Amino acid sequence: GAGVSQTPSNKVTEKGKYVELRCDPISGHTALYWYRQSLGQGPEFLIYFQGTGAADDSGLPNDRFFAVRPEGSVSTLKIQRTERGDSAVYLCASSLTANTGELFFGEGSRLTVL
Amino acid sequence: LAKTTQPISMDSYEGQEVNITCSHNNIATNDYITWYQQFPSQGPRFIIQGYKTKVTNEVASLFIPADRKSSTLSLPRVSLSDTAVYYCLVGEFNKFYFGSGTKLNVKP
Repeated sequence: GAGVSQTPSNKVTEKGKYVELRCDPISGHTALYWYRQSLGQGPEFLIYFQGTGAADDSGLPNDRFFAVRPEGSVSTLKIQRTERGDSAVYLCASSLTANTGELFFGEGSRLTVL
Repeated sequence: LAKTTQPISMDSYEGQEVNITCSHNNIATNDYITWYQQFPSQGPRFIIQGYKTKVTNEVASLFIPADRKSSTLSLPRVSLSDTAVYYCLVGEFNKFYFGSGTKLNVKP
């Protein structure tokens, strides 16, 4: 389809391991966002890319979290030394430009840290 | 950063009009008001966005009073498939923060 694609849909890992979550935005969308959603809560902003650069990474909780978008399309969220508290659904969204509030979300990657 | 306050949950019946109000007393001049819908195990979906007065699209209307300290999402003639969580967001583009949302339960 033509929507935002996220892989894997589910990831189970052990505490202390490294995890990568991938987001493939809608073709032609220049802005890309990562959110994190815990059970019963609204999505929590993590980082926003405009093109290849991180325009706002103020939502990243600590230096174990890092995200890249090297060619201005696909993005990878990287989590080092995972902790049980990192368990959540990680949502990616894209928008055509930076100047719109209409974000298109993927279905998310559910991360479980044992 | 404008904080939003919404009811935690609402019940309705099929065919009724549903109005969900969001308070945002600290809204800034450049902030827009945006509403999203989220079904279980899915990402949020954009419903409507406005700055002031009234905005209408094919699925909803958004009413914003002159002081912009609140907004009301109106869903006409809801159906069972409208059961979802509805989020009110206030902010400049690219700085959208979700609250806990309103869980709408539509009953037959």
